[in-house]
Amino acid sequence: GNSVTQMEGPVTLSEEAFLTINCTYTATGYPSLFWYVQYPGEGLQLLLKATKADDKGSNKGFEATYRKETTSFHLEKGSVQVSDSAVYFCALRVVLVDTNAGKSTFGDGTTLTVKP
Amino acid sequence: DTEVTQTPKHLVMGMTNKKSLKCEQHMGHRAMYWYKQKAKKPPELMFVYSYEKLSINESVPSRFSPECPNSSLLNLHLHALQPEDSALYLCASSPLFRFGGTDTQYFGPGTRLTVL
Repeated sequence: GNSVTQMEGPVTLSEEAFLTINCTYTATGYPSLFWYVQYPGEGLQLLLKATKADDKGSNKGFEATYRKETTSFHLEKGSVQVSDSAVYFCALRVVLVDTNAGKSTFGDGTTLTVKP
Repeated sequence: DTEVTQTPKHLVMGMTNKKSLKCEQHMGHRAMYWYKQKAKKPPELMFVYSYEKLSINESVPSRFSPECPNSSLLNLHLHALQPEDSALYLCASSPLFRFGGTDTQYFGPGTRLTVL
């Protein structure tokens, strides 16, 4: 079956530090890959996505590149802010051929805390 | 507009009550989903609707009853819940897959349910 493995947290960084959250996946076929962010008490917000190998997703200074050879989709940001403190979920998505709906598989989430 | 709305934001109910959660999207998406999320865990898929028909039920107990009255609305009817059902209930929607496209999933803010 499909699975997503994320770097274990929690991760604590100082403001302006470099962020990497590792994500690797196992899937049959050609999944799309996503990063979602969840702030306390809120739902999941789409952060960025990539639909095929070598695609780079980017948003709000965050980046991730779809690496098929290493089955990875690591999240990076050059300079984190206190407002980036949240839980980050890596996910893969495949199509269910009988319905054309998609099915997501999520990693366990990584809690990021950024201190001033 | 990539908004999925959910009401109510918070719900407290007793084990003998009947209540409903509501979800709405106006993005023209024909796939809608219910997830359950416990604290510090990833979302767990409960139900998938495709073209307003139930296509996936992830072995959810019958005390949870989904309904999709039209392509914009999704309800989750609750009856005789247990305290362990307390969680954040997330609704999501996505386009149906087209070859070469992507079916990005968008989440609502969730309903925080407490069962006493």
